[in-house]
Amino acid sequence: GESVGLHLPTLSVQEGDNSIINCAYSNSASDYFIWYKQESGKGPQFIIDIRSNMDKRQGQRVTVLLNKTVKHLSLQIAATQPGDSAVYFCAENINDYKLSFGAGTTVTVRA
Amino acid sequence: EPEVTQTPSHQVTQMGQEVILRCVPISNHLYFYWYRQILGQKVEFLVSFYNNEISEKSEIFDDQFSVERPDGSNFTLKIRSTKLEDSAMYFCASRKGAQGNQPQHFGDGTRLSIL
Repeated sequence: GESVGLHLPTLSVQEGDNSIINCAYSNSASDYFIWYKQESGKGPQFIIDIRSNMDKRQGQRVTVLLNKTVKHLSLQIAATQPGDSAVYFCAENINDYKLSFGAGTTVTVRA
Repeated sequence: EPEVTQTPSHQVTQMGQEVILRCVPISNHLYFYWYRQILGQKVEFLVSFYNNEISEKSEIFDDQFSVERPDGSNFTLKIRSTKLEDSAMYFCASRKGAQGNQPQHFGDGTRLSIL
């Protein structure tokens, strides 16, 4: 499943499929980006980060891609599991003193 | 794994009353933050704090808001005279170092309900 275009608020994906969550950021000077996962009733939980001098970074089952030319981030989740159901936010480091969050994408995993 | 802890988890307060939200950041972290999330919306930056002073604050963080690190472990957010529109989830976050390549770690928030 993929959220197409710049950003869609919801993504429904079949368990076991790969998920792609997209995010557009605003500030071309941002040098550091983070993906957070937020489950119901919880705070944002760190998933993976990437600096602007990289275009790809991989973690366990997750990959973040950065395209600075079009100011676009994506988070890929491999073999999506029911526990991946949550709201996913991208955040950009504005000036080392604050993060600016995107609107979030709600991912629902279908059994 | 060390984590940011926030108390209380839910605070109900009458409009016009003062409220203090409490946070214990991760112990070796040096940078502290408060964010707010109105129901169904994105997380918004309120204030950052380092070396016992505010580093940056948003336009939301007006004169009704203040932050304090009263001792070596707590970090508090005070709202002096609460308004209905202050109802939101308030998240505390902390970060270890100065470089912009370390993530902020968040607590699970305090749900503030203003009646």
